Amino acid sequence: GESVGLHLPTLSVQEGDNSIINCAYSNSASDYFIWYKQESGKGPQFIIDIRSNMDKRQGQRVTVLLNKTVKHLSLQIAATQPGDSAVYFCAGHYGGATNKLIFGTGTLLAVQP
Amino acid sequence: EAGVVQSPRYKIIEKKQPVAFWCNPISGHNTLYWYRQNLGQGPELLIRYENEEAVDDSQLPKDRFSAERLKGVDSTLKIQPAELGDSAVYLCASSPRTGVGSYGYTFGSGTRLTVV
Repeated sequence: GESVGLHLPTLSVQEGDNSIINCAYSNSASDYFIWYKQESGKGPQFIIDIRSNMDKRQGQRVTVLLNKTVKHLSLQIAATQPGDSAVYFCAGHYGGATNKLIFGTGTLLAVQP
Repeated sequence: EAGVVQSPRYKIIEKKQPVAFWCNPISGHNTLYWYRQNLGQGPELLIRYENEEAVDDSQLPKDRFSAERLKGVDSTLKIQPAELGDSAVYLCASSPRTGVGSYGYTFGSGTRLTVV
């Protein structure tokens, strides 16, 4: 069925370390995947996306890796900062007439100073 | 640019009462979405509009939920009557048009509804 799930509900890291947040998906019909950051009291904020025909994409301090063989997605944050503390969601986008996002449960990233 | 604007930010009502949420999307965005986010969960789509037409309302509990997007701009989402299980954050999002990719898919801050 359509589902996108996360491996870990909470991730605690030291400031300056790299963070890796993982996500598994079950439906291969997504045309792209997106990582969102959600701070308390705010809506999800776009971080980075990756098309389903790619396996890696880099942004500023963030890298998304897509492994279609095992249906796994990860978000790597370099030099994690206190401002990175938030809940992170992966979402699969289903395009065409469907055009909707299927979100996972979320991972809370806690950055320790 | 103001982004997607939602109001109110918070709402507390007694069960069986009606409630309405309002959303103003980004100017020029043809597609508007309402999502519901339960505590600790990812958002789930309730309804999607293309201009003023509701093109996907399959997840909207139509016995008590209704939505409209008159003139293809602002939208309202209504619950009548509200139940305890409706307590959640209701998020509005908009995008330029269907199928343009994830950039431009912008969420508002949401309305946190508490039903007591």
